[in-house]
Amino acid sequence: EAGVTQFPSHSVIEKGQTVTLRCDPISGHDNLYWYRRVMGKEIKFLLHFVKESKQDESGMPNNRFLAERTGGTYSTLKVQPAELEDSGVYFCASSHITSDQTQYFGPGTRLLVL
Amino acid sequence: GQQLNQSPQSMFIQEGEDVSMNCTSSSIFNTWLWYKQDPGEGPVLLIALYKAGELTSNGRLTAQFGITRKDSFLNISASIPSDVGIYFCAGFSGAGSYQLTFGKGTKLSVIP
Repeated sequence: EAGVTQFPSHSVIEKGQTVTLRCDPISGHDNLYWYRRVMGKEIKFLLHFVKESKQDESGMPNNRFLAERTGGTYSTLKVQPAELEDSGVYFCASSHITSDQTQYFGPGTRLLVL
Repeated sequence: GQQLNQSPQSMFIQEGEDVSMNCTSSSIFNTWLWYKQDPGEGPVLLIALYKAGELTSNGRLTAQFGITRKDSFLNISASIPSDVGIYFCAGFSGAGSYQLTFGKGTKLSVIP
């Protein structure tokens, strides 16, 4: 069974540009989560999808971040326009709808905003 | 918001030694999880704890869910070089919550 995959693995952009991160969850997992780890800080929750619906987006930092999950399969996280403080590692995780809440993480996208 | 205080921040140990790290919180968590992150990878679940007082082992790893539900520890016995990585504690605080709260991590280095 394939794990959670994320693309790209690394992204370097300039302040003001737009970046779109993609996450493909484990097949059959209805729950999809985005987390972020900024340098020196803990991994922080951004939002949670159940299928195509946003269940909890309380961790989204501001309206420069837009997450979508059309069709309830893969998800994208767009940052527009990117700021220096957006640099960090963005993790995606997924879990089964009836599981014991175990969240399986992808390898992350390392974003650097210059 | 919820916070988990994880210590130590980093550790250098000799191969074969035992390791202990812990997490504390000012608020109650109803599930405690321990993850390990290897370089270039995402966190991988090592142990999950669901009941206060629960002691669970996974090979050389042992973790406990504190009685007060505000702390947890992870022990690694007889460390080996592949134990190197960052260990994170994490937890779910509310009933039905899917939002994981993480500690800042313990970076473990093992000297052969």
